[in-house]
Amino acid sequence: GAGVSQSPSNKVTEKGKDVELRCDPISGHTALYWYRQSLGQGLEFLIYFQGNSAPDKSGLPSDRFSAERTGGSVSTLTIQRTQQEDSAVYLCASSEGTSGYNEQFFGPGTRLTVL
Amino acid sequence: DQQVKQNSPSLSVQEGRISILNCDYTNSMFDYFLWYKKYPAEGPTFLISISSIKDKNEDGRFTVFLNKSAKHLSLHIVPSQPGDSAVYFCAASANDYKLSFGAGTTVTVRA
Repeated sequence: GAGVSQSPSNKVTEKGKDVELRCDPISGHTALYWYRQSLGQGLEFLIYFQGNSAPDKSGLPSDRFSAERTGGSVSTLTIQRTQQEDSAVYLCASSEGTSGYNEQFFGPGTRLTVL
Repeated sequence: DQQVKQNSPSLSVQEGRISILNCDYTNSMFDYFLWYKKYPAEGPTFLISISSIKDKNEDGRFTVFLNKSAKHLSLHIVPSQPGDSAVYFCAASANDYKLSFGAGTTVTVRA
């Protein structure tokens, strides 16, 4: 079956612009996660959704970052007024459940470059 | 602060030999550990895991060892094959959904 997909695969934007990143999880997966990987760093947790609600937004680095999920499926991560430090690969993952014992399946990521 | 550290950014090994990847963690609440493998332009894929109640888990050519007292785990790949060339991430969980990842180790298997 289809895995997690993300779009766009690459995004180049100018500082100060808003960007939207999209994630399509595996069908039936109730949990969805956003991570980002900055150069030379590990994956950094951003936000987690259970269904359409986000009980944990603790990893969002600033109020310029927001995310929503609709229909228990597609999720959009929005970054407003982008800054150069936002440049990173943004990865989405989904899982059947929410414990660490449920395998998280990752998408290929969106590489964001802020000029 | 990074709670999971992979101090070797790269590893080069000859085909057929053993690859040993190391990972250290600081959070004593971590009770589940995972290794992910990532090829270029793809997302990380789950490779092998270990619960804190065990000290070893083996799956084919891949074995993960956990030393809780040292807060250290390692991944052994034997024998190494060219298809194993990838970035390997160590990750840990404190019995919840939030995974903490290391920065990754790039493995290159030489023919």
